[in-house]
Amino acid sequence: EVQLLESGGGLVQPGQSLRLSCAASGFTFSSSAMNWVRQAPGKGLEWVSTFSGRTSNTYYADSVKGRFTISRDNSKNTLFLQMNSLRAEDTAVYYCAKEWGIDYWGQGTLVTVSS
Amino acid sequence: DVVMTQSPLSLPVTLGQPASISCRSSQSLVHSDGNTYLSWFQQRPGQSPRRLIYKVSDRDSGVPDRFSGSGSGTDFTLKISRVEAEDVGVYYCLQHTHWPRAFGQGTKVEI
Repeated sequence: EVQLLESGGGLVQPGQSLRLSCAASGFTFSSSAMNWVRQAPGKGLEWVSTFSGRTSNTYYADSVKGRFTISRDNSKNTLFLQMNSLRAEDTAVYYCAKEWGIDYWGQGTLVTVSS
Repeated sequence: DVVMTQSPLSLPVTLGQPASISCRSSQSLVHSDGNTYLSWFQQRPGQSPRRLIYKVSDRDSGVPDRFSGSGSGTDFTLKISRVEAEDVGVYYCLQHTHWPRAFGQGTKVEI
């Protein structure tokens, strides 16, 4: 059974940093593309970033480029999202999601950026 | 960037009746490999999204056959043949042919 478990969310002040983690199980993590997708309170889904499975290419939405970094540790089946220079508009539930086609989602972790 | 436009944004439905959601892209979603990477997701209240349809019309495992997807190029449709109470939620389309990936705004289905 595929499982994706996000952690690391919380309340931070504008300008601060936060690192999200996503522990994966039930599939071959190392060969799977992995994504972060976010959802602001009461809003729709927004793709944030993707880390390819085999080529180690990374992709970012313009809204986070230069501030967020996606990475992965295949030995620990874990995906990360390092978020720097956080802004109020980054407040959202952040979902970890599997594969190019986003076939499985985690339960999400809430990030709140507020002073 | 590709823009995904869903309509309607709100869809009142009647139990047992059909329902249809449109998703249009600002450019063709046909990939160089010949596939069209358009997916549909359901998000029930308080839950994570769940994929229903991938590559326009392929249904995910466990998805009831009352859900179907169709379309080509830039024009796509999700149909529910007979709405059930558990179908209430927000439905999103997603294109993953081009970078950056893009979701539609979402369509809220309510009884």
